[in-house]
Amino acid sequence: DAMVIQNPRYQVTQFGKPVTLSCSQTLNHNVMYWYQQKSSQAPKLLFHYYDKDFNNEADTPDNFQSRRPNTSFCFLDIRSPGLGDAAMYLCATSRNGQGSGYTFGSGTRLTVV
Amino acid sequence: AQSVTQLGSHVSVSEGALVLLRCNYSSSVPPYLFWYVQYPNQGLQLLLKYTTGATLVKGINGFEAEFKKSETSFHLTKPSAHMSDAAEYFCAVRENSGYSTLTFGKGTMLLVSP
Repeated sequence: DAMVIQNPRYQVTQFGKPVTLSCSQTLNHNVMYWYQQKSSQAPKLLFHYYDKDFNNEADTPDNFQSRRPNTSFCFLDIRSPGLGDAAMYLCATSRNGQGSGYTFGSGTRLTVV
Repeated sequence: AQSVTQLGSHVSVSEGALVLLRCNYSSSVPPYLFWYVQYPNQGLQLLLKYTTGATLVKGINGFEAEFKKSETSFHLTKPSAHMSDAAEYFCAVRENSGYSTLTFGKGTMLLVSP
């Protein structure tokens, strides 16, 4: 089945130690998104790629970076995780961002110790 | 700018009772509207969407929603709650002109008691 896969499902990292979360998709969607969701809150868009074009939200901290080496893969890099970065990170895809809803992965829950 | 307001962070119903989750939107142009469901430690799953056409939209798991432009609302309903419906529900909006991203409401946790 075509889907969005996030690895790992659970990630524990040390305070200040760089961490990378990955997302892959078999839907051949050209838009990929990264959302941060803290406990009992709405998902918050960090950034997205429309094809190869990177679009950063204005309030996304510089600590967060992203890479999209090809259509299928997208990575979220947190350069120096703080305790406040502990959250669920959701990857989503869409075709052209039009009309149809997004397809989400199962998320990666990040714990910072 | 677009935004979504979900009334009630928690809604409790008994199994078999009507489910009503409220969503109001604000958008400068006619929007696309969505409802997503999230089970614990899972991603978001699309329940239904309104883009154009019929204002009453049917989705998965027996849910439906009605787009009411005059009330700027897109409330989610289900005639009879099931225990398996217990989850968090998010309403989302996106403008239908040009290109824009999805904006989520704060979510409503649906609790279903036997």
